[in-house]
Amino acid sequence: EIVMTQSPLSLPVTPGEPASFSCRSSESLLHTNGYNYLDWFLQKPGQSPQRLIYLGSKRASGVPDRFSGSGSGTDFTLKISRVEAEDVGVYYCMQSLQSPYTFGQGTKLEI
Amino acid sequence: QVQLVQSGAEVKKPGASVRVSCKASGYTFTNYGVTWVRQAPGQGLEWVGWISSYNGQTNYAPKLQGRVTLTTDKSTTTAYMEMTSLTSDDTAIYYCARDERDYWGQGTLVTVSS
Repeated sequence: EIVMTQSPLSLPVTPGEPASFSCRSSESLLHTNGYNYLDWFLQKPGQSPQRLIYLGSKRASGVPDRFSGSGSGTDFTLKISRVEAEDVGVYYCMQSLQSPYTFGQGTKLEI
Repeated sequence: QVQLVQSGAEVKKPGASVRVSCKASGYTFTNYGVTWVRQAPGQGLEWVGWISSYNGQTNYAPKLQGRVTLTTDKSTTTAYMEMTSLTSDDTAIYYCARDERDYWGQGTLVTVSS
């Protein structure tokens, strides 16, 4: 199965500052159709996960434009241009190219 | 609006079975599959499997294959996850989500304890 590795595991930030999350896969997530099958989710405390980014860089409906996804192949990055207090939680990447789908271990954003 | 509403918390003894339901509304049920994900206490997310609401095709996590069964009922637009031979390692919150993980249920806590 494809192994997803996230770093760092914990990310302390100051409101208004940028934040960057890294996700690496053990195999390329680039499909022959040109899309990378990589999602980013945020799980706020006590809540269900919510999708932020799909296909590597497409922002999900309703997600603020301060969130952006980039990368291709095996290296991916989620960036928050200016962190707000409501962004606290655990950020997960997930690959959906190959079954079984697999998640990274998560990065906890702390303010 | 799209909603996925799951059944309530369950407490089961080791060796028992559990069935969790996920009632979908606000969209054409057969146009989207249902993904199931679980989260053990204090741990990360783990993909359980996926089912097509159109034709019932399934795909399971290898470690759970043989113990988990996903089904859907088109007449009630409800998806089900059944797990057998439960152990304490199956204690987790179980989430359903629409196909592309764009909408999620509220989660169902399944506790396995003697």
